[in-house]
Parts: sequence; C-alpha cells; structure tokens
Amino acid sequence: DADVTQTPRNRITKTGKRIMLECSQTKGHDRMYWYRQDPGLGLRLIYYSFDVKDINKGEISDGYSVSRQAQAKFSLSLESAIPNQTALYFCATASASGADGELFFGEGSRLTVL
Amino acid sequence: AQSVTQLGSHVSVSEGALVLLRCNYSSSVPPYLFWYVQYPNQGLQLLLKYTSAATLVKGINGFEAEFKKSETSFHLTKPSAHMSDAAEYFCAVITGFQKLVFGTGTRLLVSP
Repeated sequence: DADVTQTPRNRITKTGKRIMLECSQTKGHDRMYWYRQDPGLGLRLIYYSFDVKDINKGEISDGYSVSRQAQAKFSLSLESAIPNQTALYFCATASASGADGELFFGEGSRLTVL
Repeated sequence: AQSVTQLGSHVSVSEGALVLLRCNYSSSVPPYLFWYVQYPNQGLQLLLKYTSAATLVKGINGFEAEFKKSETSFHLTKPSAHMSDAAEYFCAVITGFQKLVFGTGTRLLVSP
C-alpha cells in the first residue's frame, strides 16, 4: 500500500459543483501539503498544515479550502469548481523532525472541470 | 524570496548520451536545493538534495548534481542516459518551514 494515498485519482465534474479531494498517510508525519501541477508552471502550493490545529495558505489558495481531520488526513475542497481549476493535484507529507525538507508525494488526483 | 529557474522545458538525448538538466537558484541565504523526478502517471520522488555539505551530490539511478555558488546553479547530470530516465524533472528550493518552491520542470526525452 502507498504511504500517501489520494482519492479520487480521477474526477470529472461540472462548473459550480463542490469537490473534495482526500489525502491520507501512514508515514506518521506531522506536516501535510496540497500542491497543484499545471503544464509549464510546475507545482504551486495551495495550503499546508504543520499539525491538526495549524492551517496555512500557500501561494494560490483562492477558491480552495482545506480540513485537517486528523494527523493522517488532509482534505482539499473546491466549494464551487471552475474550469481553470482543472489540474493535477498532489498531496505531500514531511517529517517535522528532520530529513532536510524531503517531501513524500501521493500519486496525484486529476481533476477536470467542464 | 527564494526561487529556482529551470532552463529548457524539454531536453532530448539519445540513449547512452550525457544528460544535463539546468537549474539556477535565487536565494538571499544559503539554499537547500532538491531535484525531484516524476515518472508518467506517478507522484514526485526525491532524486537528490543539497543541504550545504558536499557540493557534489549523488542521487539515485546514477544522477548527480553540483552546487556552484559562484554561478548560482545546481545542474543535474547523468553520464549515460537510459530509456527508463524519460520523465519530468523538477528543481526545487526550500523556504521557511519546509515549503518547497518548484521550478517549471524539464521533460527529458530519451531516444534509442
């Protein structure tokens, strides 16, 4: 089983619909992140969380919200999806205690908004 | 603010040829730098990292990178490309609190 699991892996939805992408991890890490990948733009940080009570905005948080339900779970929501939110979304985790910044990624959730 | 710039969105090499993927960084403090690889339909995985120890860093699958402060560069190399190296490669720099800032990526194409 993967250490960082994202669901769904693929989703097609319509403009205006609410969408939730879920991430769970078995690595025991405190830090969790949501990134968005677009061709030619690399990965951009949406939100990050250092523990259950800590949520922080990244560089492109507008139109997104997150929930840290437990140490192992971090969900990303699009309250009213729009076509320019079509992208590949990655969840990642990191240990607070070291590893000099290494992030561990899930396999991604591909979202298409029509 | 720390950032990285990857030169070339696509690089094509023949199998057995040298691989060189370029990354330049901008940082007001000594940077921690990373190269990640993304194989098709997969997440990113760490290739190697520079954390201010040795300037020549060796990673997985025969890749290495050299930190050159005078050139603000952290280029990724591999002496001999293999078909399995075809992937997208991302350079990244860490900002405060383990936030990675990624470059725009370079897709490596390997032909027989």
